[in-house]
Amino acid sequence: AQTVTQSQPEMSVQEAETVTLSCTYDTSENNYYLFWYKQPPSRQMILVIRQEAYKQQNATENRFSVNFQKAAKSFSLKISDSQLGDTAMYFCAYSYDKIIFGKGTRLHILP
Amino acid sequence: DTGVSQDPRHKITKRGQNVTFRCDPISEHNRLYWYRQTLGQGPEFLTYFQNEAQLEKSRLLSDRFSAERPKGSFSTLEIQRTEQGDSAMYLCASSLVGLDYGYTFGSGTRLTVV
Repeated sequence: AQTVTQSQPEMSVQEAETVTLSCTYDTSENNYYLFWYKQPPSRQMILVIRQEAYKQQNATENRFSVNFQKAAKSFSLKISDSQLGDTAMYFCAYSYDKIIFGKGTRLHILP
Repeated sequence: DTGVSQDPRHKITKRGQNVTFRCDPISEHNRLYWYRQTLGQGPEFLTYFQNEAQLEKSRLLSDRFSAERPKGSFSTLEIQRTEQGDSAMYLCASSLVGLDYGYTFGSGTRLTVV
């Protein structure tokens, strides 16, 4: 069975700093997708970034980038120049036919 | 198209009552998913449809839970004889099979069983 593990339940960083959220997953599939979702307090899930497993190049979306290590089954998210609006729960997710989520990392950006 | 819509946003019910939630996906999306999320946890997969066919149900989904997508458009999730442990946020998401750009989620239905 596919599983997603986020080992950091909670993190805090100062505004404008860079932060990296960790994620590992387990699968026997070769072609799949990985995602990072953001869930602000009491608001809906928002897609931050996606990575296709067959692409070696790491995905980047403005201040958000990933470090995808397929052999190690690792998929970390780096947020550069963090902003107060980045405060949220961040979920790493794996998708083959359905999305499987990790338990999340609560990220606090401090002023 | 305004995205994925869920109704109601909040539902308070007494233990033992039946409740039904509705999800309207993005119109061209042929896949529809239901998830359950408890406070501070990641969403847990419940079931998903491709068009009107229910392709998979989680073992988490007891016999008290049933979901339908009768015409391949909107979907309903019914919980019979609710229990306090059913209190959670129920999320719906939709996607287009073959184009895995990430699912679009609705705002959820928050269920409180008292």
